[in-house]
Amino acid sequence: GAVVSQHPSWVICKSGTSVKIECRSLDFQATTMFWYRQFPKQSLMLMATSNEGSKATYEQGVEKDKFLINHASLTLSTLTVTSAHPEDSSFYICSASRTSGRSYEQYFGPGTRLTVT
Amino acid sequence: AQSVTQLGSHVSVSEGALVLLRCNYSSSVPPYLFWYVQYPNQGLQLLLKYTTGATLVKGINGFEAEFKKSETSFHLTKPSAHMSDAAEYFCAVSKNTGGFKTIFGAGTRLFVKA
Repeated sequence: GAVVSQHPSWVICKSGTSVKIECRSLDFQATTMFWYRQFPKQSLMLMATSNEGSKATYEQGVEKDKFLINHASLTLSTLTVTSAHPEDSSFYICSASRTSGRSYEQYFGPGTRLTVT
Repeated sequence: AQSVTQLGSHVSVSEGALVLLRCNYSSSVPPYLFWYVQYPNQGLQLLLKYTTGATLVKGINGFEAEFKKSETSFHLTKPSAHMSDAAEYFCAVSKNTGGFKTIFGAGTRLFVKA
């Protein structure tokens, strides 16, 4: 099946710094990419929807200036957490979707664990 | 707006017993429905999905789910639980508009007792 990778798999950063997380679709061109965050023992919350070449659509309550999303190509989307604070510590998961006619598939990355100290 | 409700944050079964995880959804258009499994500190693995066609969907690891439109349900079952089934299970709904964004339920933790 299709593979979506995330880099890094885990990162520790100091409060006030920024960190970038990459999401790549390795063997297909993704129509759309999505970013989720998951707090411990909780569900995945959709943060934003990203389409190549256009601005991301953020869900209500998600600060677009804090969580910068860039979708530079059909295989790469990045999430930058700016001026990170301890409350931003979470598991960030991306997914990439592919549509072909009536077929729709969504593939999830393995996640990136961010710890802000 | 779409939403997903998973009944029971924790379910405990004995090894070899029937597994039943409940999921109800709301959607203004015909939904796409999914079940995912997540093991600790790992990403999501797709168990099965319903898009169109046959309402009884078979997935990996012996799991299956039935789409019941009249009940707006998509419950997950497995005839005989195995210790390796212990994990977090998420029901999710998507629709064929708005870029197929997926909304997840709160999750159900499955415990399997020896």
